[in-house]
Amino acid sequence: DGGITQSPKYLFRKEGQNVTLSCEQNLNHDAMYWYRQDPGQGLRLIYYSQIVNDFQKGDIAEGYSVSREKKESFPLTVTSAQKNPTAFYLCASSIGRSSENTIYFGEGSWLTVV
Amino acid sequence: KQEVTQIPAALSVPEGENLVLNCSFTDSAIYNLQWFRQDPGKGLTSLLLIQSSQREQTSGRLNASLDKSSGRSTLYIAASQPGDSATYLCAVHSGGGADGLTFGKGTHLIIQP
Repeated sequence: DGGITQSPKYLFRKEGQNVTLSCEQNLNHDAMYWYRQDPGQGLRLIYYSQIVNDFQKGDIAEGYSVSREKKESFPLTVTSAQKNPTAFYLCASSIGRSSENTIYFGEGSWLTVV
Repeated sequence: KQEVTQIPAALSVPEGENLVLNCSFTDSAIYNLQWFRQDPGKGLTSLLLIQSSQREQTSGRLNASLDKSSGRSTLYIAASQPGDSATYLCAVHSGGGADGLTFGKGTHLIIQP
């Protein structure tokens, strides 16, 4: 089945630790996105990539980093510089930029700081 | 800056009723509007995408309308079922920001059996 796979589903981070969330898609989509969702808030964009080896910061990129070495993969690293990382993280993709195309989401990853 | 508001924030209705969820946006210069469903602890599932040139889209018991000039969209759910219980979000693409998308906070819908 075509889709977006995020892993792990649940992740615990200790203070000062970097963690990486995986996002893989087999939809042959060019554009990929990372969003953060906090309770009672809308989704906020962390990073966006339109093509391989290119990505742009979103509204809340501080404390996060990404790479796009392959079309199907867009991992997100939550660094120790992110002071409030506990949230639900959603990866998404679309054929091209979302101006014309449906955007599809993965099942999400929960990150908790312990 | 585009702002998207969804009213009500929560809604509880008996099974079988027809219902309307509302989404309003401040900047009418949009490319499209998309409705999503989110189950607890899950990702978003796309329901309907309306391009700026369209007035409505239908899928099964769902009908979404778009009035760009007034900055409004509605999602109509016919003959509601307990399985429709979820949070419904709308997102507007208006070109601002890296991805151009602005999401509402959602309407939490409960259908009582």
